[in-house]
Amino acid sequence: TQLLEQSPQFLSIQEGENLTVYCNSSSVFSSLQWYRQEPGEGPVLLVTVVTGGEVKKLKRLTFQFGDARKDSSLHITAAQPGDTGLYLCAGQGANDYKLSFGAGTTVTVRA
Amino acid sequence: SQTIHQWPATLVQPVGSPLSLECTVEGTSNPNLYWYRQAAGRGLQLLFYSVGIGQISSEVPQNLSASRPQDRQFILSSKKLLLSDSGFYLCAWDARGTYGYTFGSGTRLTVV
Repeated sequence: TQLLEQSPQFLSIQEGENLTVYCNSSSVFSSLQWYRQEPGEGPVLLVTVVTGGEVKKLKRLTFQFGDARKDSSLHITAAQPGDTGLYLCAGQGANDYKLSFGAGTTVTVRA
Repeated sequence: SQTIHQWPATLVQPVGSPLSLECTVEGTSNPNLYWYRQAAGRGLQLLFYSVGIGQISSEVPQNLSASRPQDRQFILSSKKLLLSDSGFYLCAWDARGTYGYTFGSGTRLTVV
């Protein structure tokens, strides 16, 4: 099992502020995915990164995959209350379709 | 379009009773199927996965079992529930050669 560590565990910010969530591992991944989950629902895929150093943008969300493909970050610019949720990173090893999930970061954006 | 159905949404069962949770996928064929369990507000633990009918792999020893009687049907079962089986159970699927899982809406199981 490949261990993914997410930090911080909890994050509470005011609307309009920026935030960054980190996902780190000692393992190399062929791909890394980010999901957002709302209470009582299943996670929803936000983005997949597959190339070391890759940066993807989804509106106010910016995702980066580390050069060595062991870590990733999620940056939200000008956070809104609708960004509130549990953010999960998940890594997929080479020749493996199973995902290993981090413990998640609970983000709360106050209006 | 592809959809995934998971039921029931909530379940309260006494200790020692049996369990059957069902998950079906529509709009695709030969999917990889997964059962995960999630502790309150935390990460997901992979329980079982399947790459085809009758092919089940278990990730952790436990009181649960899984079956795949049809291509797009995945069932999670237990003969006798324990208190520690309480949790949020999620079914997911993906297509071979693609990235990203699609999750069902989950089942909140409380064993009392």
